[in-house]
Amino acid sequence: ELKVEQNPLFLSMQEGKNYTIYCNYSTTSDRLYWYRQDPGKSLESLFVLLSNGAVKQEGRLMASLDTKARLSTLHITAAVHDLSATYFCANTRGSQGNLIFGKGTKLSVKP
Amino acid sequence: ETGVTQTPRHLVMGMTNKKSLKCEQHLGHNAMYWYKQSAKKPLELMFVYNFKEQTENNSVPSRFSPECPNSSHLFLHLHTLQPEDSALYLCASSQSSARGQETQYFGPGTRLLVL
Repeated sequence: ELKVEQNPLFLSMQEGKNYTIYCNYSTTSDRLYWYRQDPGKSLESLFVLLSNGAVKQEGRLMASLDTKARLSTLHITAAVHDLSATYFCANTRGSQGNLIFGKGTKLSVKP
Repeated sequence: ETGVTQTPRHLVMGMTNKKSLKCEQHLGHNAMYWYKQSAKKPLELMFVYNFKEQTENNSVPSRFSPECPNSSHLFLHLHTLQPEDSALYLCASSQSSARGQETQYFGPGTRLLVL
């Protein structure tokens, strides 16, 4: 059974600081998805990582995938308040590609 | 309309009521999904439809009944719900549910309160 675990679940950061969110998954997979959810809103796709060693960057966010370690990271550089949201990672299960989500990391960036 | 839309956005219902949630996608996708998001649990996949055929029922109670009349529309029919069914119900779509085409695009959700 595929399990996806994120840590930390809660993260309070000061503006300008760097931090990393970790996503571990339990079964072999060559892809990983990151989503963002603002309070009261839906999920927005951030990154799709499709191979071992994949790295993608968008603004202050950078995601990477290590399929051998079954680990993806979401690195935040010089955080700003606008990044406050809940970040989910997700992996696929079986041949149908259904997504299994982690519990989410609630990020709060304070001045 | 673009993307994935859901109606209603908010719904309050009694335990004896029957209501339906509607989802429509304007992306030309062939797979649609229902998820439940509660306060203290991860996003839970409920149902998957691929080319109008149900391919996944994740042990969902029968008081939730999905319907997919075509690839663009998905319904979730609700009857005799329980207060613990109160949650945000999210609809999503993807090109298909086949591996490699599963990037999902989410609707805004319906926030359901069962009294």
